[in-house]
Amino acid sequence: AQTVTQSQPEMSVQEAETVTLSCTYDTSESDYYLFWYKQPPSRQMILVIRQEAYKQQNATENRFSVNFQKAAKSFSLKISDSQLGDAAMYFCAYNSYGKLTFGQGTILTVHP
Amino acid sequence: DTGVSQNPRHKITKRGQNVTFRCDPISEHNRLYWYRQTLGQGPEFLTYFQNEAQLEKSRLLSDRFSAERPKGSFSTLEIQRTEQGDSAMYLCASSGLSVDEQYFGPGTRLTVT
Repeated sequence: AQTVTQSQPEMSVQEAETVTLSCTYDTSESDYYLFWYKQPPSRQMILVIRQEAYKQQNATENRFSVNFQKAAKSFSLKISDSQLGDAAMYFCAYNSYGKLTFGQGTILTVHP
Repeated sequence: DTGVSQNPRHKITKRGQNVTFRCDPISEHNRLYWYRQTLGQGPEFLTYFQNEAQLEKSRLLSDRFSAERPKGSFSTLEIQRTEQGDSAMYLCASSGLSVDEQYFGPGTRLTVT
């Protein structure tokens, strides 16, 4: 079975600074997808970024980028120029045959 | 275009009662997923449909839980004889066949008293 581990229960960052959230996963499959989702307090889950395992190039979406290390089974999220609106719970998720397996989440606090 | 919608948004029920939740996916999406999320945790997969066919069910989905997607459009999740341990946020998501990105609804928060 696939597992996803987020070892940082909480992280904080100053507005305009950069923060990196960590995620590791375990799988025996070679073809899969990885995602980062954002869940603001009392609001719905929003897709932040996706990465296909067969692509070596790291995905980037505006201020969000990932560092995907397939051999190490590591998938970290870097948020540049942090904004107050980035404050949320962030979940790393693995997808191979449809269903998502989520990590435990990291609460990100952004200080003005 | 509307996103995934779920009704009701909140449900309070007494232990032993039955409850039913509805999910309307994004209109062109073939796949529909149900997840359960308890406070401070990541969502856990319950079941998913491709069109009207239920393709996978988690062991979390006990006999008291049943899900349907009769015409391949909206889906319902019913919990019979609710227990306090059923209290959680129930999330619905949808995706296309060739797109692996799942888009989530706002969830239904169930409180069993």
